[in-house]
Amino acid sequence: KQEVTQIPAALSVPEGENLVLNCSFTDSAIYNLQWFRQDPGKGLTSLLLIQSSQREQTSGRLNASLDKSSGRSTLYIAASQPGDSATYLCAVTSYDQAGTALIFGKGTTLSVSS
Amino acid sequence: EAEVAQSPRYKITEKSQAVAFWCDPISGHATLYWYRQILGQGPELLVQFQDESVVDDSQLPKDRFSAERLKGVDSTLKIQPAELGDSAMYLCASSLFALGGNTGELFFGEGSRLTVL
Repeated sequence: KQEVTQIPAALSVPEGENLVLNCSFTDSAIYNLQWFRQDPGKGLTSLLLIQSSQREQTSGRLNASLDKSSGRSTLYIAASQPGDSATYLCAVTSYDQAGTALIFGKGTTLSVSS
Repeated sequence: EAEVAQSPRYKITEKSQAVAFWCDPISGHATLYWYRQILGQGPELLVQFQDESVVDDSQLPKDRFSAERLKGVDSTLKIQPAELGDSAMYLCASSLFALGGNTGELFFGEGSRLTVL
């Protein structure tokens, strides 16, 4: 059964710092991996989608990489801002599921101080 | 901008009462998901629809939960009777397709926060 782990659970950084969030998954047989952002009490906003054949995706100050063979993904945030404070969730779609739904990690809660 | 609509945003109910949540996906999205998210945890799938058909409801507690998507557009998730442990955020998501296991990008609604007293 696919399991997704995110480390660290929480992270505090000063404004302007570059940072990396980590995601690992136990089964490398995935269709894709997605990174989401969630503000307190809100729904999820899709940040980046990486197909299994891709190595990375970029959007603005965000860059996500995927190493399927090692079961790892990283989300790199450049020049962090207080507005980046949120919980970041990683999710994968696996071959071993009956359906095609995403399996989520528990998230990393990021706090950027000004 | 197209979005997934959910209602109500907040619901407070007493144990043993019935509660229902509604979701309207982005127009044209064939695949619809209901997730449950307990505070501090990642979302967990309850049910997945492809058009009006259930694709996966293996994690849906069928003794008290039911879900339908009769015309393959909007969907309703019902809980009867509600229990204290059902307190959570109920999230609806949709995607344009789910072809051969590849979901494409998922879009989530704002969620429905349930509190059971």
